[in-house]
Amino acid sequence: QQQVKQSPQSLIVQKGGIPIINCAYENTAFDYFPWYQQFPGKGPALLIAIRPDVSEKKEGRFTISFNKSAKQFSLHIMDSQPGDSATYFCAASMRGGANNLFFGTGTRLTVIP
Amino acid sequence: EAQVTQNPRYLITVTGKKLTVTCSQNMNHEYMSWYRQDPGLGLRQIYYSMNVEVTDKGDVPEGYKVSRKEKRNFPLILESPSPNQTSLYFCASRLQGQGNTEAFFGQGTRLTVV
Repeated sequence: QQQVKQSPQSLIVQKGGIPIINCAYENTAFDYFPWYQQFPGKGPALLIAIRPDVSEKKEGRFTISFNKSAKQFSLHIMDSQPGDSATYFCAASMRGGANNLFFGTGTRLTVIP
Repeated sequence: EAQVTQNPRYLITVTGKKLTVTCSQNMNHEYMSWYRQDPGLGLRQIYYSMNVEVTDKGDVPEGYKVSRKEKRNFPLILESPSPNQTSLYFCASRLQGQGNTEAFFGQGTRLTVV
């Protein structure tokens, strides 16, 4: 059972476009929602993360929007560049216990020059 | 440099031949875990360890073993590999005790079982 559902599976945008990747969860005990970026041949690396006490977080061209009531969060990439082409994973974890990270299925983003 | 090191990066083996993928981290992290990455399925956790001598199953543990005898090392063992274990494997580590800490991943091990 997928704890975090992610869409779309793949996305192609023109340079300068604003790709949006969406994730949804059911477990209300989740309280940490990171996004990981993975380039070909590399391991995932933390890109940006949000806690549910805020509705939006920006770091450079990357923004997370969080809707606690809908149990959804999304990643927006402003002014996308070919160098942003990568696979993006959303994830969630909760305090206590093992703090395991539950990942979405990933979105392969291609930014066309 | 803080890092998680996996070896080997690529491995081709035959069905039933035992193998071990090593993982080592230099950040003194308590928590370590193994994931497999398959197209359309994302990252699925195989096993995790909250500290030395403490391991537990993740979502897809069948066919795998792990051990945690030292804090820095967390090897993944396939006693009798089968073709359905052909996948890309990642080891990760993070600080334990806090749910909002960054996970650091190794470079991955691409395993092919024929």
